[in-house]
Amino acid sequence: DTAVSQTPKYLVTQMGNDKSIKCEQNLGHDTMYWYKQDSKKFLKIMFSYNNKELIINETVPNRFSPKSPDKAHLNLHINSLELGDSAVYFCASSPGLYTEAFFGQGTRLTVV
Amino acid sequence: GQQVMQIPQYQHVQEGEDFTTYCNSSTTLSNIQWYKQRPGGHPVFLIQLVKSGEVKKQKRLTFQFGEAKKNSSLHITATQTTDVGTYFCAGQGYGNKLVFGAGTILRVKS
Repeated sequence: DTAVSQTPKYLVTQMGNDKSIKCEQNLGHDTMYWYKQDSKKFLKIMFSYNNKELIINETVPNRFSPKSPDKAHLNLHINSLELGDSAVYFCASSPGLYTEAFFGQGTRLTVV
Repeated sequence: GQQVMQIPQYQHVQEGEDFTTYCNSSTTLSNIQWYKQRPGGHPVFLIQLVKSGEVKKQKRLTFQFGEAKKNSSLHITATQTTDVGTYFCAGQGYGNKLVFGAGTILRVKS
């Protein structure tokens, strides 16, 4: 069983579209995250969700919205996609806030 | 804001040579974590250091946390082709979020 799974693995879409990436963890962790990895491999945290409290990174455009239906899921919805949104998006979870993180396989988003 | 600098950006070594990557924070850290990402893969947690001056070993990997808790290093002895990938440090300041360094890409020539 995959500990942190996210779908889809690849996503190609046109500018202006709205898309969602799903993430599920079966580790029983209280904390989940979304990270963005750009073409230069730089990893930047977007959101942390800890015990039902959402911690928003102030540098993330409000076109990005996380949604957590329950503790095991943290989905990422993106409105009005732009070319600059192209990147690999990683979901992760950890037992506590900013402790050892387990990453999903990543979703490579390409906006054309 | 908190910044974490990591050097070198790239390192190409001959198999069997040693490798070191360094991480420096602009602020004192509560802890530092190290991750490895294989090409095309996802980051995988290696270790967390919490105490000032802490040294931890995992087989050929040695991790150090500076006395001032502002710098850290990862040293690999006698690299193997399986060591290739990008090594990231990630530092957490007190009460702050985790900030990743830019990573060091390691290539090993056999």
